[in-house]
Amino acid sequence: SQTIHQWPATLVQPVGSPLSLECTVEGTSNPNLYWYRQAAGRGLQLLFYSVGIGQISSEVPQNLSASRPQDRQFILSSKKLLLSDSGFYLCAWSVGEQYFGPGTRLTVT
Amino acid sequence: SQKIEQNSEALNIQEGKTATLTCNYTNYSPAYLQWYRQDPGRGPVFLLLIRENEKEKRKERLKVTFDTTLKQSLFHITASQPADSATYLCALNSGGYQKVTFGIGTKLQVIP
Repeated sequence: SQTIHQWPATLVQPVGSPLSLECTVEGTSNPNLYWYRQAAGRGLQLLFYSVGIGQISSEVPQNLSASRPQDRQFILSSKKLLLSDSGFYLCAWSVGEQYFGPGTRLTVT
Repeated sequence: SQKIEQNSEALNIQEGKTATLTCNYTNYSPAYLQWYRQDPGRGPVFLLLIRENEKEKRKERLKVTFDTTLKQSLFHITASQPADSATYLCALNSGGYQKVTFGIGTKLQVIP
């Protein structure tokens, strides 16, 4: 069966520090991969999606970037975090319906 | 502009009754629409997918309808239980088959 991993589960980072969140999927090949952010009391905001290695579509201009170095690995990065980057970050894979990872709670202080 | 509207106010319902949640959309022509459940601090969990050529789909106590003329989907939970309490999100594909946009969700509280 398919499994999606995300780490870390929680993260507290100071403003201006870098960020790297990793997501890996097991049990499937060539999945569509997604990064979402959910701010407190808000809906899911699509940040990036990828339909293959090296193929990244960005949905919202911001100081975040994404990379897909391997088929089942999706990385979300930032060079300098802002306070507004705080939120719940979710990775998902899709074959139509979407399957989400456990999420990373990021607090920028 | 494109919008997905769900009743952002919480829906309180007595145990055993049928809960009905609404998802309306504008300026989309989705090939499919999906419903998810989200518990606090967790990622959404997929429940049902309905395609544009389907009017209704059922899974156990869940039923989804999809009216592409009204641009509306209804999500029903029959014989609701306190364990059904959660936030329910609708989602539809937009800008191609791969991209999915979510509504803000409706919080359902089933009262014993």
